[in-house]
Amino acid sequence: DAGITQSPRYKITETGRQVTLMCHQTWSHSYMFWYRQDLGHGLRLIYYSAAADITDKGEVPDGYVVSRSKTENFPLTLESATRSQTSVYFCASSADRVTNEKLFFGSGTQLSVL
Amino acid sequence: GNSVTQMEGPVTLSEEAFLTINCTYTATGYPSLFWYVQYPGEGLQLLLKATKADDKGSNKGFEATYRKETTSFHLEKGSVQVSDSAVYFCALSDPGANSKLTFGKGITLSVRP
Repeated sequence: DAGITQSPRYKITETGRQVTLMCHQTWSHSYMFWYRQDLGHGLRLIYYSAAADITDKGEVPDGYVVSRSKTENFPLTLESATRSQTSVYFCASSADRVTNEKLFFGSGTQLSVL
Repeated sequence: GNSVTQMEGPVTLSEEAFLTINCTYTATGYPSLFWYVQYPGEGLQLLLKATKADDKGSNKGFEATYRKETTSFHLEKGSVQVSDSAVYFCALSDPGANSKLTFGKGITLSVRP
């Protein structure tokens, strides 16, 4: 089925390790986003991308790296995981800037950093 | 900057009860307003939206009216069902801020039979 898929669904890692969360969409949407969801904070934007090779920081980018070499993929890397990065991570996509209010979300990756 | 404030939760209701979830916002421009819903184990989905003052968004029996004078976008439903149990997020998109969405903290609704 077409859509937006995230992998893995669950991940447990240790402090200091590098972790990459994958996001793939089949709609050829221009815009892609990474959010983290935490109790008491709701959703906070980590990074977003307007097109291939164009990325920009969101509200909470520290400790994260993204790339967008192809339109359909938008991986998120935690270069050296910390316990504070334990969270549920959602990837989302949108068709274009003007109407990009309608985001399509993946099912999320639940990450635990021990 | 932009912000969205939702009422504190969680909210627990009996089936067929009336639902109101409050949402107020602060924005520098003329935002569009949204309600997203997250069912257990899933990502968020757009529930409804309104793009200008006095617009009413509606879907699945839910309604919300864009009130510029009170900077509010309260979500209502006349008769909730168990299947409405989910987390509800209010959000805004400000064209003056690259149209990125700003979300509220979300509120958990539990509907008991």
